[in-house]
This record gives sequence, C-alpha cells and structure tokens, in this order.
Amino acid sequence: ELKVEQNPLFLSMQEGKNYTIYCNYSTTSDRLYWYRQDPGKSLESLFVLLSNGAVKQEGRLMASLDTKARLSTLHITAAVHDLSATYFCAVGTQGGSEKLVFGKGTKLTVNP
Amino acid sequence: DARVTQTPRHKVTEMGQEVTMRCQPILGHNTVFWYRQTMMQGLELLAYFRNRAPLDDSGMPKDRFSAEMPDATLATLKIQPSEPRDSAVYFCASGLVRDGGSSTDTQYFGPGTRLTVL
Repeated sequence: ELKVEQNPLFLSMQEGKNYTIYCNYSTTSDRLYWYRQDPGKSLESLFVLLSNGAVKQEGRLMASLDTKARLSTLHITAAVHDLSATYFCAVGTQGGSEKLVFGKGTKLTVNP
Repeated sequence: DARVTQTPRHKVTEMGQEVTMRCQPILGHNTVFWYRQTMMQGLELLAYFRNRAPLDDSGMPKDRFSAEMPDATLATLKIQPSEPRDSAVYFCASGLVRDGGSSTDTQYFGPGTRLTVL
C-alpha cells in the first residue's frame, strides 16, 4: 500500500528566508503532484513531476523529484507572506490507475 | 475559465437526514473523484469514475454512502442516513485520462461542500 509522508507538518518562517518541504513515499511511482490550499479554499495545482530528476519552478517555489530515493522536495526561496498556505504532495499509484495518495500537508506560515 | 463546480457550498443537517452533493466536472474531463477532508484524517479518496463508470469506491462507507454519475456533466455523492462523524469538507475533482494509460495530468478540484451534521 502506498504511503506518503510529508515533513514538516508545520513550518513557521521569517520573510526572506529559504526552506524545504519534503515528501517521501513508500512504493514506486512515476508521477508526483504538489498542490496549495489556502484556508477555507480548494486545492490548487502547483507542479506535476513525471520523471526522475524533474525540476519545475514557479516564482519562489521549486519542486524536484528523485524517483530512486522516492523523494520530492518543494523549496521556498526568499519567502513572502503570500506563500502562507498548506502545501500537499500527492503520489500516483501504479498499474494504470488514476488514483492519488495525498500527504497530510505542510502548513506554512510566513511571518513579516 | 473552465472549473469544477459543486453544490451546495455549505450544508447543515441533522443526524439521520439524507444529504446529496453535486459536482459538475470540467467539460471534456473523463475522470471524476470524490474526496473527504477532515483535520484528523486529511484528504481521503472516497470514490472515482472514469467515463462515468465507477472504478473504485473502496474508501467509502458502503452502508450509507453512494456515488453515481447519471451523465457526463453530473456526479453525485449521497449520504443516507447522515451521522455527525460525516461532518467534513467534500471535494470533487476532475481530470483527463488519455487513451492508453494512466493519467499524468493534474486533478482539478472544485470549491468543496462543507457539511455539518448535528
């Protein structure tokens, strides 16, 4: 059974600092997704990572995937308050299924 | 701007009542997912459909929950009878699976239905 672990679950940062959120998963997968959720809102897709070594960047966020280590990272550069949200990684199950297994989420708070 | 829509956005009901939630997927998407989000359990997949056929409902309590897709533009999730432990936010998401393989496209989430069962 595929398990997805994120850490940390809570992260409080100062504006301008850098930090990394980690997403580990337990079985082989060929696709990994990052989503953002603002309080009381829906999930918004950030990145789709489909191959080993894939790296995607959007603004101050950069996501990467290491399928051999079963690890994805979401790196935050020079954080700003607007990045405060909960970030989820989701991993695709094998075998032609569209199912995703989500991590518990990392609640990020960026303080001025 | 194509998006998934869900109704109602909020629902407060009493234990034992029937609750029906509706979802309109993005036009052209052929997979629809129902998720439940709670503080304790996080985001759980309840059921999903491809081309309107149910593929997996193993995450759903079978005795009280049912999910259907009467047509390509409507998915429903019904709870009968509802219980206080069903209080959660229910999200519908849709996606596109291309011929021959599993989906690599992201799932697009609706705004959710916040359900409170008293």
